[in-house]
Amino acid sequence: DTAVSQTPKYLVTQMGNDKSIKCEQNLGHDTMYWYKQDSKKFLKIMFSYNNKELIINETVPNRFSPKSPDKAHLNLHINSLELGDSAVYFCASSQRGLLIETQYFGPGTRLLVL
Amino acid sequence: AQKITQTQPGMFVQEKEAVTLDCTYDTSDQSYGLFWYKQPSSGEMIFLIYQGSYDEQNATEGRYSLNFQKARKSANLVISASQLGDSAMYFCAMREGTGANNLFFGTGTRLTVIP
Repeated sequence: DTAVSQTPKYLVTQMGNDKSIKCEQNLGHDTMYWYKQDSKKFLKIMFSYNNKELIINETVPNRFSPKSPDKAHLNLHINSLELGDSAVYFCASSQRGLLIETQYFGPGTRLLVL
Repeated sequence: AQKITQTQPGMFVQEKEAVTLDCTYDTSDQSYGLFWYKQPSSGEMIFLIYQGSYDEQNATEGRYSLNFQKARKSANLVISASQLGDSAMYFCAMREGTGANNLFFGTGTRLTVIP
């Protein structure tokens, strides 16, 4: 059983398009995240939701809009895609309040903007 | 200032030998957690080991152990008896105890195990 899943795994699109990435977790966690991994492999937090409420919103262009319809899902919509948006986007989830609050990651979505 | 520093961009180790991957961190929080993740060439992020700031003993998980030196703010990962499948990127990460619970990642170390 996949714990954290993302779709699609690969996304190739033209500049200016709008695209969405979906994330689902079946771990029963209450917190979900989006991270971006750039071409140098550096991972940085973008957003975090706890119980469908936005709790972290890092300095990310407002072309990026997360949406959490329920605790198990966190989607990322990107408007007007730019070349610099090319990266791997990881979804993760964790359960807040545990002694060891481990974040479990999805397989990543490789976005290439042409 | 960087919260997590990994100074080794790349490391090589002979199969069956042990290797230490360095990680130093910077925080003023008393409560924090340190994590190591492995990213093989297939791209997924795999959780390896966790060390809490209040844990007195070094964490161990199978062939992985964490050499935690709080005064030096270091949390090095030790992999014993390296295997070819250990070749991957390794990331050190920290969660600070106050407020938001996102992870701050280091820049990673690429480990190559030589047969």
